[in-house]
Amino acid sequence: KNEVEQSPQNLTAQEGEFITINCSYSVGISALHWLQQHPGGGIVSLFMLSSGKKKHGRLIATINIQEKHSSLHITASHPRDSAVYICAVARDSNYQLIWGAGTKLIIKP
Amino acid sequence: EAGVAQSPRYKIIEKRQSVAFWCNPISGHATLYWYQQILGQGPKLLIQFQNNGVVDDSQLPKDRFSAERLKGVDSTLKIQPAKLEDSAVYLCASSWAGGVNEQFFGPGTRLTVL
Repeated sequence: KNEVEQSPQNLTAQEGEFITINCSYSVGISALHWLQQHPGGGIVSLFMLSSGKKKHGRLIATINIQEKHSSLHITASHPRDSAVYICAVARDSNYQLIWGAGTKLIIKP
Repeated sequence: EAGVAQSPRYKIIEKRQSVAFWCNPISGHATLYWYQQILGQGPKLLIQFQNNGVVDDSQLPKDRFSAERLKGVDSTLKIQPAKLEDSAVYLCASSWAGGVNEQFFGPGTRLTVL
């Protein structure tokens, strides 16, 4: 079993829909990251969380440390949100990042 | 603030050839990372530098891959000789320090080995 599991693997939605991507992990962590990767490879860091909730524009990230679970929400989704969203956790023993497999999101106009 | 710079953005070589990638981190960032991302997979850490010293290179295939960060600023990753399975995106990231600090990623170099 992978140490970081994301769901769904693929998600297609219509513009304007509320999007939720989930991440579960099985190791002790010091922080959890949500990142966005567009075709072509570049990665952009969206959030780094160690507790609670963070919001940036239409993006909201939450984490439940007890349940070892995090969610990334996108409100009023737009075609430009189409990308791969990756969850990565920093292992608390050595801070090394363990990466999820990513969720490929397509928002149709 | 300028981001992490990488070059080239794309490279196509034949197997057994050599290739080098360059990364310039965000100014002041002490920690620099090189990742390999094979299509459809998450990034794999190849090497982590703290200033000009190596913190972790446990997953670097040292028979063919080498990396240096001589002055503690920019870094070069080299593959010699390249194999077909080295086709991937090579990502450079930097952070203020190691540990839990947020990593900032460059645009990546897409390598195709024919």
